[in-house]
Amino acid sequence: GEEVAQTPKHLVRGEGQKAKLYCAPIKGHSYVFWYQQVLKNEFKFLISFQNENVFDETGMPKERFSAKCLPNSPCSLEIQATKLEDSAVYFCASSLQGSRTNEKLFFGSGTQLSVL
Amino acid sequence: GNSVTQMEGPVTLSEEAFLTINCTYTATGYPSLFWYVQYPGEGLQLLLKATKADDKGSNKGFEATYRKETTSFHLEKGSVQVSDSAVYFCALMDYNNAGNMLTFGGGTRLMVKP
Repeated sequence: GEEVAQTPKHLVRGEGQKAKLYCAPIKGHSYVFWYQQVLKNEFKFLISFQNENVFDETGMPKERFSAKCLPNSPCSLEIQATKLEDSAVYFCASSLQGSRTNEKLFFGSGTQLSVL
Repeated sequence: GNSVTQMEGPVTLSEEAFLTINCTYTATGYPSLFWYVQYPGEGLQLLLKATKADDKGSNKGFEATYRKETTSFHLEKGSVQVSDSAVYFCALMDYNNAGNMLTFGGGTRLMVKP
């Protein structure tokens, strides 16, 4: 597709439940990024993929967060046993290449996760 | 490590006023610099960018100049409109092993009143 598609738009979970978010990058884009936007408008980098391989996961909380980008499937971000502080908007972005000449990131409209 | 610092908001202006949103950065290499805008309920949109020192990015009346000597990339607009009300994010992209990873500032909310 021509835009980054994130689903669902809103997700409500009780504390301790699992949450799974999906992202379909723009067709042909090799890089996918996940960001977490918390209440103070700060964007925290979580993880990036180059095709189906993890490129950088330095921002991922080790214990409860996991992510995948499998061939011919949307990428996913999964949170096991959600906590109240996981409430945020999760943005996915994709880009064509990891080079200076094609550095534009295209962002999806985000998934609002509310943990109650 | 890399970091971006921008002025805290909210910034409240009357229509047609002059806008400046300050942004400074620290980076280990030679980053590209960006301003992104987030309108209410929407994702991020790239507003403008600059890839090297003294470059000026511009779009929709907004401008920002890459100042290496002051490590700054301040956003300016000569005459704001109500439709410019949004949150503005300064960001940098450094070319290391992390590919196209962006480092964002904390965002500045702009409110323009008629």
